[in-house]
Amino acid sequence: DAGVTQSPTHLIKTRGQHVTLRCSPISGHKSVSWYQQVLGQGPQFIFQYYEKEERGRGNFPDRFSARQFPNYSSELNVNALLLGDSALYLCASSSEGGGETQYFGPGTRLLVL
Amino acid sequence: GEDVEQSLFLSVREGDSSVINCTYTDSSSTYLYWYKQEPGAGLQLLTYIFSNMDMKQDQRLTVLLNKKDKHLSLRIADTQTGDSAIYFCAEIHNQAGTALIFGKGTTLSVSS
Repeated sequence: DAGVTQSPTHLIKTRGQHVTLRCSPISGHKSVSWYQQVLGQGPQFIFQYYEKEERGRGNFPDRFSARQFPNYSSELNVNALLLGDSALYLCASSSEGGGETQYFGPGTRLLVL
Repeated sequence: GEDVEQSLFLSVREGDSSVINCTYTDSSSTYLYWYKQEPGAGLQLLTYIFSNMDMKQDQRLTVLLNKKDKHLSLRIADTQTGDSAIYFCAEIHNQAGTALIFGKGTTLSVSS
C-alpha cells in the first residue's frame, strides 16, 4: 500500500511569492494534518482537516491556508513568502479526526530566497 | 515544541543500549509517540504508548511511562549504526484539532 505522498519534493521561491504544496493521504484515511519543521527544531502543527472541514489550527499567520478535497487529498498554501518560511513541510494522515496515530509523508523542502 | 523537552544529543557504541528521555506537560494526553527521522527524510512512527500503560515492548524498543513525573523514555536494545537518526517524542493535544506537539528531538549517534 502506498504511504502518504507529497509533492513537490523540493521547491525554491523568492520572497513575496506564493506556494502550493500537495498531499495525498494513505488510502482510506480521512484526515490530513500539516506541520512545519524548521531546521534543528521539531515539527510544529499548522492545520488539521477532516472530511473537508478544518478541525484545528496552530499558531500561524493568515498567510497560511489549506483545504481538503473530496478524495481527502489536501493543499497547503502560503502567500507572501518570507525568508523564515524556509522549512520542511510535512503532511500526516490519520484514519479519522480524533486521537488516531498520524503517519507522515516524506515532506516538501521549501527554500525562500 | 516548548511543551515537550528532550536532551539534544546521545552518543553510544554499537551493541550498547540507548535510552532517550522526554518530559511532557499535558497530563490529559491520551497517547505518547516516538518518531524517528533520518537525514533529509520525513518522520517514521516507531512506537506509541497509551497513557494508562506503564510499559510497552516492541522487539528492540521498550517504552516506559511515568505519569506522575510526566516522563517518557525510549530504550533501544543492541543499538546498531542504522539507528543513528533524530528521535522525536510527541504528545497529543486535543485543544486544536488533534495536534501532535513535538520536542526538539534527540540526535542519536552510534559508533562502530
